[in-house]
Amino acid sequence: QSVLTQPPSVSAAPGQKVTISCSGSSSNIGKNYVSWYQQLPGTAPKLVIYDDNKRPSGIPDRFSGSKSGTSVTLDITGLQTGDEADYYCGTWDSSLSAGVFGTGTTVTVL
Amino acid sequence: QVQLQESGPGLVKSSETLSLTCTVSGGSISNYYLSWIRQPPGKGLDWIGYIDYSGSTSYNPSLKSRVTISIDTSKIQFSLRLSSVTAADTAIYYCARGTKRFLPWPSPRDYIYYMDVWGRGTTVTVSS
Repeated sequence: QSVLTQPPSVSAAPGQKVTISCSGSSSNIGKNYVSWYQQLPGTAPKLVIYDDNKRPSGIPDRFSGSKSGTSVTLDITGLQTGDEADYYCGTWDSSLSAGVFGTGTTVTVL
Repeated sequence: QVQLQESGPGLVKSSETLSLTCTVSGGSISNYYLSWIRQPPGKGLDWIGYIDYSGSTSYNPSLKSRVTISIDTSKIQFSLRLSSVTAADTAIYYCARGTKRFLPWPSPRDYIYYMDVWGRGTTVTVSS
């Protein structure tokens, strides 16, 4: 049902890097800016990236975003156990005239 | 610091109407897009819709026929009504403050859209 596709899970050892991809289309990612949300277990989502690559105050620079065409990626470097969470991309879809989210990716720290 | 808090019944009977309210404290809601998002058990985020300060709304096409979002600016509250609920509407319901801007030409993009403040969520179960 989600119009944005993410891998179900990614994992890496502490201190390493993970990359989460989010694939969309010309009506959403291709046309509008993307945000990323971190959802720790049992909590509400939290904004970690907006406007493709900007970090809200308080988000460490270990989190970074980039965009290429109709796909975006979220990189988390220096992975910590506290980064274990579900991550969702989100944007506006100009064809649907609606907000849309990705399918979600679970990050596991090995 | 702006905070959002959802409230409403945790149990709704099938075919009835779900009603939730989000109360905003610690800041203004003007110039923001006040949104509702839900998350079924064990599943991902589902955008329901938003209302802006002037009362203009936008809804998820798949829910549009059943959803109404309203705002009470005097109480700094906004509300969600979802009619004819079924078990598929069982979820955690979040309210959130959103930012949306249209970027005029010659911007390569059309819209900025993100939600920067979220409520803690409220669980709604639809019973038969």
